[in-house]
Amino acid sequence: GENVEQHPSTLSVQEGDSAVIKCTYSDSASNYFPWYKQELGKRPQLIIDIRSNVGEKKDQRIAVTLNKTAKHFSLHITETQPEDSAVYFCAATETGTASKLTFGTGTRLQVTL
Amino acid sequence: ETGVTQTPRHLVMGMTNKKSLKCEQHLGHNAMYWYKQSAKKPLELMFVYNFKEQTENNSVPSRFSPECPNSSHLFLHLHTLQPEDSALYLCASSQVGAGTYNEQFFGPGTRLTVL
Repeated sequence: GENVEQHPSTLSVQEGDSAVIKCTYSDSASNYFPWYKQELGKRPQLIIDIRSNVGEKKDQRIAVTLNKTAKHFSLHITETQPEDSAVYFCAATETGTASKLTFGTGTRLQVTL
Repeated sequence: ETGVTQTPRHLVMGMTNKKSLKCEQHLGHNAMYWYKQSAKKPLELMFVYNFKEQTENNSVPSRFSPECPNSSHLFLHLHTLQPEDSALYLCASSQVGAGTYNEQFFGPGTRLTVL
Protein backbone atom coordinates (compact mmCIF):
# COMPACT_ATOMS: atom_id res chain seq x y z
CA GLY A 1 0.00 0.00 0.00
CA GLU A 2 0.87 3.68 -0.15
CA ASN A 3 3.04 5.27 2.54
CA VAL A 4 3.32 9.04 2.88
CA GLU A 5 5.96 10.73 5.01
CA GLN A 6 5.76 14.41 5.91
CA HIS A 7 8.35 16.81 7.29
CA PRO A 8 8.77 18.81 9.41
CA SER A 9 6.27 17.95 12.13
CA THR A 10 6.39 21.53 13.43
CA LEU A 11 7.42 24.73 11.72
CA SER A 12 7.64 28.23 13.11
CA VAL A 13 8.14 31.22 10.83
CA GLN A 14 7.89 34.96 11.21
CA GLU A 15 5.08 36.79 9.51
CA GLY A 16 6.07 37.60 5.94
CA ASP A 17 8.54 34.76 5.64
CA SER A 18 8.03 31.67 3.47
CA ALA A 19 7.17 28.19 4.71
CA VAL A 20 7.90 24.90 2.97
CA ILE A 21 6.47 21.51 3.88
CA LYS A 22 7.73 18.37 2.18
CA CYS A 23 6.17 14.96 1.59
CA THR A 24 7.36 11.74 0.01
CA TYR A 25 5.24 8.85 -1.22
CA SER A 26 6.01 5.25 -2.04
CA ASP A 27 3.47 4.06 -4.62
CA SER A 28 4.40 5.07 -8.17
CA ALA A 29 0.75 4.54 -9.19
CA SER A 30 -0.34 7.54 -7.09
CA ASN A 31 -1.31 10.42 -9.32
CA TYR A 32 -3.27 12.84 -7.16
CA PHE A 33 -1.76 14.81 -4.29
CA PRO A 34 -4.00 17.10 -2.24
CA TRP A 35 -3.07 19.33 0.67
CA TYR A 36 -5.44 19.93 3.56
CA LYS A 37 -5.37 22.71 6.14
CA GLN A 38 -6.86 22.14 9.58
CA GLU A 39 -7.28 25.13 11.85
CA LEU A 40 -7.59 24.55 15.57
CA GLY A 41 -10.93 22.96 16.38
CA LYS A 42 -12.04 22.86 12.77
CA ARG A 43 -12.34 20.26 10.03
CA PRO A 44 -9.58 19.62 7.45
CA GLN A 45 -10.21 21.56 4.25
CA LEU A 46 -8.61 21.17 0.86
CA ILE A 47 -6.43 24.16 -0.02
CA ILE A 48 -4.64 23.01 -3.16
CA ASP A 49 -3.99 19.84 -5.09
CA ILE A 50 -1.75 18.67 -7.90
CA ARG A 51 -2.11 15.92 -10.43
CA SER A 52 0.75 13.91 -11.83
CA ASN A 53 0.51 15.45 -15.29
CA VAL A 54 1.89 18.78 -14.00
CA GLY A 55 4.97 19.70 -12.01
CA GLU A 56 3.78 22.86 -10.31
CA LYS A 57 0.55 24.60 -9.43
CA LYS A 58 0.06 27.98 -7.83
CA ASP A 59 -2.90 29.69 -6.19
CA GLN A 60 -2.12 33.16 -4.86
CA ARG A 61 0.31 32.72 -1.95
CA ILE A 62 0.37 28.93 -2.00
CA ALA A 63 2.03 26.64 -4.49
CA VAL A 64 2.68 22.95 -4.76
CA THR A 65 5.47 21.22 -6.66
CA LEU A 66 5.68 17.58 -7.67
CA ASN A 67 8.70 15.48 -8.62
CA LYS A 68 7.37 12.15 -9.87
CA THR A 69 10.80 10.67 -10.40
CA ALA A 70 11.83 11.27 -6.82
CA LYS A 71 8.30 10.66 -5.51
CA HIS A 72 8.11 13.84 -3.51
CA PHE A 73 5.91 16.89 -3.44
CA SER A 74 6.04 20.11 -1.47
CA LEU A 75 3.78 22.92 -0.28
CA HIS A 76 5.11 26.45 -0.42
CA ILE A 77 3.47 29.35 1.37
CA THR A 78 4.85 32.80 0.68
CA GLU A 79 4.31 36.03 2.63
CA THR A 80 2.92 34.07 5.58
CA GLN A 81 0.23 35.62 7.73
CA PRO A 82 -1.01 34.74 11.23
CA GLU A 83 -4.12 33.15 9.72
CA ASP A 84 -1.88 30.61 7.98
CA SER A 85 -1.22 29.07 11.41
CA ALA A 86 -2.75 25.58 11.30
CA VAL A 87 -1.90 21.92 10.79
CA TYR A 88 -1.24 21.01 7.17
CA PHE A 89 -1.66 17.46 5.83
CA CYS A 90 -0.40 16.12 2.53
CA ALA A 91 -1.99 13.06 0.95
CA ALA A 92 -1.61 10.77 -2.03
CA THR A 93 -3.87 8.44 -3.97
CA GLU A 94 -4.41 6.73 -7.29
CA THR A 95 -7.46 8.27 -8.90
CA GLY A 96 -10.30 6.57 -10.70
CA THR A 97 -10.63 3.87 -8.07
CA ALA A 98 -12.30 3.59 -4.73
CA SER A 99 -8.91 3.64 -3.10
CA LYS A 100 -8.29 5.65 0.02
CA LEU A 101 -6.34 8.82 0.46
CA THR A 102 -3.17 8.13 2.41
CA PHE A 103 -2.34 11.10 4.62
CA GLY A 104 0.95 12.31 5.99
CA THR A 105 1.30 12.84 9.72
CA GLY A 106 0.80 16.60 9.54
CA THR A 107 2.87 19.75 10.02
CA ARG A 108 1.92 22.27 12.67
CA LEU A 109 2.73 25.70 11.23
CA GLN A 110 2.99 28.64 13.59
CA VAL A 111 3.29 32.11 12.12
CA THR A 112 4.59 34.58 14.68
CA LEU A 113 4.29 38.35 14.60
CA GLU B 1 -27.59 21.79 5.59
CA THR B 2 -24.80 21.68 3.09
CA GLY B 3 -21.63 19.67 2.79
CA VAL B 4 -20.98 16.99 5.37
CA THR B 5 -22.68 17.08 8.76
CA GLN B 6 -22.00 15.03 11.86
CA THR B 7 -23.92 14.49 15.09
CA PRO B 8 -23.36 14.70 17.93
CA ARG B 9 -20.50 17.20 18.00
CA HIS B 10 -19.44 16.13 21.47
CA LEU B 11 -20.00 12.83 23.26
CA VAL B 12 -18.96 11.59 26.68
CA MET B 13 -19.58 7.94 27.40
CA GLY B 14 -18.67 5.29 29.90
CA MET B 15 -16.90 2.11 28.88
CA THR B 16 -20.10 0.07 29.18
CA ASN B 17 -22.30 2.40 27.14
CA LYS B 18 -23.51 1.94 23.58
CA LYS B 19 -23.73 5.00 21.38
CA SER B 20 -23.79 5.85 17.68
CA LEU B 21 -22.20 8.59 15.62
CA LYS B 22 -24.05 9.83 12.57
CA CYS B 23 -22.75 11.38 9.37
CA GLU B 24 -24.72 12.75 6.44
CA GLN B 25 -23.39 14.10 3.18
CA HIS B 26 -25.41 16.44 0.95
CA LEU B 27 -22.95 16.43 -1.97
CA GLY B 28 -24.22 13.50 -4.02
CA HIS B 29 -20.99 11.56 -3.43
CA ASN B 30 -20.69 7.80 -3.72
CA ALA B 31 -18.00 7.13 -1.12
CA MET B 32 -17.87 7.83 2.61
CA TYR B 33 -15.11 7.43 5.20
CA TRP B 34 -14.54 7.31 8.95
CA TYR B 35 -11.27 8.69 10.33
CA LYS B 36 -9.94 8.80 13.86
CA GLN B 37 -7.84 11.81 14.77
CA SER B 38 -5.83 11.76 17.95
CA ALA B 39 -2.66 13.46 19.08
CA LYS B 40 -0.63 10.30 18.51
CA LYS B 41 -1.90 9.29 15.05
CA PRO B 42 -3.42 12.16 13.10
CA LEU B 43 -6.02 11.24 10.44
CA GLU B 44 -6.08 7.47 10.86
CA LEU B 45 -8.41 5.88 8.31
CA MET B 46 -10.89 3.44 9.85
CA PHE B 47 -13.46 2.47 7.23
CA VAL B 48 -14.29 3.16 3.59
CA TYR B 49 -17.66 2.67 1.95
CA ASN B 50 -18.14 2.84 -1.79
CA PHE B 51 -21.73 2.69 -3.07
CA LYS B 52 -22.81 1.49 0.39
CA GLU B 53 -20.37 -1.42 0.32
CA GLN B 54 -17.50 -1.55 2.77
CA THR B 55 -14.26 -1.62 0.80
CA GLU B 56 -11.78 -0.98 3.58
CA ASN B 57 -11.51 -1.96 7.22
CA ASN B 58 -8.19 -0.71 8.48
CA SER B 59 -7.78 -3.32 11.24
CA VAL B 60 -10.28 -1.55 13.44
CA PRO B 61 -11.34 -3.31 16.68
CA SER B 62 -14.80 -4.86 16.63
CA ARG B 63 -16.03 -2.46 19.31
CA PHE B 64 -16.39 -0.03 16.38
CA SER B 65 -19.14 -1.14 14.00
CA PRO B 66 -19.91 0.92 10.89
CA GLU B 67 -23.19 1.00 9.02
CA CYS B 68 -23.95 2.59 5.66
CA PRO B 69 -27.66 2.28 4.83
CA ASN B 70 -27.35 4.44 1.71
CA SER B 71 -24.69 6.54 0.00
CA SER B 72 -25.71 9.66 1.95
CA HIS B 73 -25.61 8.31 5.48
CA LEU B 74 -22.91 6.68 7.53
CA PHE B 75 -23.03 5.55 11.14
CA LEU B 76 -20.41 4.41 13.59
CA HIS B 77 -21.81 2.26 16.38
CA LEU B 78 -19.73 2.22 19.56
CA HIS B 79 -19.82 -0.30 22.39
CA THR B 80 -17.54 -1.19 25.29
CA LEU B 81 -14.99 1.40 24.31
CA GLN B 82 -11.70 2.02 26.07
CA PRO B 83 -10.30 5.36 27.30
CA GLU B 84 -7.70 5.24 24.51
CA ASP B 85 -10.57 5.46 22.02
CA SER B 86 -11.09 9.08 23.07
CA ALA B 87 -10.42 11.15 19.96
CA LEU B 88 -11.99 13.29 17.26
CA TYR B 89 -13.93 11.10 14.82
CA LEU B 90 -14.16 12.63 11.38
CA CYS B 91 -16.46 11.60 8.58
CA ALA B 92 -15.65 12.44 4.96
CA SER B 93 -17.19 11.88 1.56
CA SER B 94 -15.92 11.97 -2.00
CA GLN B 95 -16.82 11.04 -5.54
CA VAL B 96 -14.78 8.11 -6.80
CA GLY B 97 -14.64 6.38 -10.17
CA ALA B 98 -13.22 6.95 -13.61
CA GLY B 99 -12.27 10.55 -14.22
CA THR B 100 -12.56 11.61 -10.58
CA TYR B 101 -9.89 12.79 -8.21
CA ASN B 102 -11.24 11.64 -4.87
CA GLU B 103 -11.30 15.10 -3.27
CA GLN B 104 -12.54 14.39 0.21
CA PHE B 105 -14.86 16.73 2.07
CA PHE B 106 -14.80 16.43 5.84
CA GLY B 107 -17.49 16.87 8.44
CA PRO B 108 -16.86 18.89 11.62
CA GLY B 109 -16.16 15.78 13.65
CA THR B 110 -17.44 14.28 16.88
CA ARG B 111 -15.21 14.83 19.90
CA LEU B 112 -15.51 11.56 21.85
CA THR B 113 -14.41 11.16 25.44
CA VAL B 114 -14.50 7.70 27.02
CA LEU B 115 -14.44 7.69 30.80
